[in-house]
Amino acid sequence: DIVMTQSPLSLPVTPGEPASISCRSSQSLLQSNGFHYLDWYLQKPGQSPHLLIYLGFNRASGVPDRFSGSGSGTDFTLKISRVEAEDVGIYYCMQALQTPYSFGQGTKLEI
Amino acid sequence: QVQLQESGPGLVKPSGTLSLTCAVSGGFINTNWWSWVRQTPGKGLEWIGKISHSGDSAYNPSLRGRVSFSVAESNTQFSLKLSSVTAADTAIYYCATSNYHDSSGHPWGFDHWGQGALVIVS
Repeated sequence: DIVMTQSPLSLPVTPGEPASISCRSSQSLLQSNGFHYLDWYLQKPGQSPHLLIYLGFNRASGVPDRFSGSGSGTDFTLKISRVEAEDVGIYYCMQALQTPYSFGQGTKLEI
Repeated sequence: QVQLQESGPGLVKPSGTLSLTCAVSGGFINTNWWSWVRQTPGKGLEWIGKISHSGDSAYNPSLRGRVSFSVAESNTQFSLKLSSVTAADTAIYYCATSNYHDSSGHPWGFDHWGQGALVIVS
C-alpha cells in the first residue's frame, strides 16, 4: 500500500501571508498516462472534504487561484499565495494511483 | 447541483452489520464508479472501497473481507454493508465520486461528496 506523509501537521498562519504544505508518498504517483494521481482536499469545520487540486496541479472548479499544487514523483506541495480567514481547516493529500487509495494525516491550518 | 446523500441507522450493535445507502440527486453524474470513505478521530480519512455501475469493485484490504457494495441499475443509488462491526468502526461515513475516472477506474479527484453519516457501534 502507498503511505502518504504530510508536513507540517499544524500550520499557524497570518492572513495575507503565504502558506505551504508538503505531501510525500512512499512510491511514485506517476501513472503511465503521464499524470500524477495526487489530489488535495480541504475539510472545513463541520463539513465534508472538498476537492481543491487534482492530478497534482489542476484546480477544481470554483477554487480560487491563490491555491496551487506542484510536485512530481513522490514529493508534492500545496501553496496558498495569500491566506484568507476562510481557508482554515484541515488539508489532506490523497493518492489515487492504485487501490487502496490513501490519505495523508492532515494538516490543520489555523489563523 | 448534484448532491450525494448518505442514509442509514446511526447506531449499530457490536458484531452486527452496518448498512448505508448513498442517493444521487439534483442531476446526472456521468460516472461509472462510486466510492466510500470513512473518517475516525484515530485513523483520519480511510478509503473503504469502490463499485462500478457494472458491479466491479475494489476494497481496502484493511477491512478484511467484511465489506460489500451494491449499486442500483439507475446509477442513482449505491450501498455499503460492513459486517462484524466493532467500536473501531465508529466513524463518519462518506460516499464520494468523481466527474471522471480513467480507464482503470481511478478518479481524477473526488468532486462530489455526501454530507457524511455518523455511525456509532455500541
